[in-house]
Amino acid sequence: AQTVTQSQPEMSVQEAETVTLSCTYDTSESDYYLFWYKQPPSRQMILVIRQEAYKQQNATENRFSVNFQKAAKSFSLKISDSQLGDAAMYFCAYRSMQGGSEKLVFGKGTKLTVNP
Amino acid sequence: DGGITQSPKYLFRKEGQNVTLSCEQNLNHDAMYWYRQDPGQGLRLIYYSQIVNDFQKGDIAEGYSVSREKKESFPLTVTSAQKNPTAFYLCASSMSASSSYNEQFFGPGTRLTVL
Repeated sequence: AQTVTQSQPEMSVQEAETVTLSCTYDTSESDYYLFWYKQPPSRQMILVIRQEAYKQQNATENRFSVNFQKAAKSFSLKISDSQLGDAAMYFCAYRSMQGGSEKLVFGKGTKLTVNP
Repeated sequence: DGGITQSPKYLFRKEGQNVTLSCEQNLNHDAMYWYRQDPGQGLRLIYYSQIVNDFQKGDIAEGYSVSREKKESFPLTVTSAQKNPTAFYLCASSMSASSSYNEQFFGPGTRLTVL
């Protein structure tokens, strides 16, 4: 079974600075998807960014980018120019590409605090 | 507006009672999911349904039941057999369950507290 590990329960960053959240995963599959979700205090889950394992290029969405290291099974999220609205729980998630299910496996999350 | 609605937002239940959480979507999605979230834990999958009248157990299905009689609705019943039901419950949907990518969209959640 796949597992996702987020080793940083909490992180903090100064406004306008850059922060990196870590995620590692374990799988025997070669093709899969990886995601970062944001859960603000409202508790609404919001997709931040996704990465297909077969793509070598790291995904980028505005201030959010990932460092995908397939061999190391590592998938970190970098937030540049941090804003107060970035404060939230961040969850790393894995999804198999095998057909028939879109089951997501989540890590335990990292609570990000942004200091003004 | 298209989206997923969950009701109620807060729910209180006495021990030994069954309770049903509502999840409705108007996105015309085939697949729907129920997740449970506990403090310090990520989301864990309870049940999912890929198509009407069909559903499968997730990782923590014990003490829960679901039905999928309509495409837009996927209610979750928390039964008295669930030993620790106090948690935050999230419903999600996606266009289809297939090998290609389909984003899961989440509802706002229901906070269930057992008194």
